[in-house]
Amino acid sequence: GAVVSQHPSRVICKSGTSVKIECRSLDFQATTMFWYRQFPKQSLMLMATSNEGSKATYEQGVEKDKFLINHASLTLSTLTVTSAHPEDSSFYICSALLPGQGHTDTQYFGPGTRLTVL
Amino acid sequence: AQKVTQAQTEISVVEKEDVTLDCVYETRDTTYYLFWYKQPPSGELVFLIRRNSFDEQNEISGRYSWNFQKSTSSFNFTITASQVVDSAVYFCALNRASGTYKYIFGTGTRLKVLA
Repeated sequence: GAVVSQHPSRVICKSGTSVKIECRSLDFQATTMFWYRQFPKQSLMLMATSNEGSKATYEQGVEKDKFLINHASLTLSTLTVTSAHPEDSSFYICSALLPGQGHTDTQYFGPGTRLTVL
Repeated sequence: AQKVTQAQTEISVVEKEDVTLDCVYETRDTTYYLFWYKQPPSGELVFLIRRNSFDEQNEISGRYSWNFQKSTSSFNFTITASQVVDSAVYFCALNRASGTYKYIFGTGTRLKVLA
């Protein structure tokens, strides 16, 4: 149980185009999902918290108009990188919060999406 | 402020050796949760363990064991008889027991197990 998928796993696009990444919780409902960015050999950097049916909460320094997040259902959140530039090239990882008792929820991570902007 | 420190950037061991990955955390909360995740070369973070601050019992799962010491704010991870498949980056994380569910991640320890 607690499987999270991401699609696509790898994408190459031209500068100026938009790219949409999907994150799905396959066997549980997740009211909360997270989007992270990871640079080579570095830790995960939280970009935003995605809540089903409401606006995402962005971390300081993350442009909400650049990284559009939509959490339209309890099993799907999408991240759209708009007008992508080479500096947006990175590994993007999502996680879904598996509800537990009290505050014992645990984040389960997707396999990540490697974005390369030419 | 909350913080997670993984001082070991990279560790190399020979197969079958035991290895311990250190994790030291800082928090003013009395209730919190600690996690370990494994990130193999494929990139996906794999959940290994969650420990709440009131449970100081050490845990063993196969070749993996965890030592939680509140007195030293440490949550160390030991792999016994390491195998090449254990090669990965391991992240320790801290989560508050109230408010948001955001994790504070350490910088990770890259473990290389040589055949």
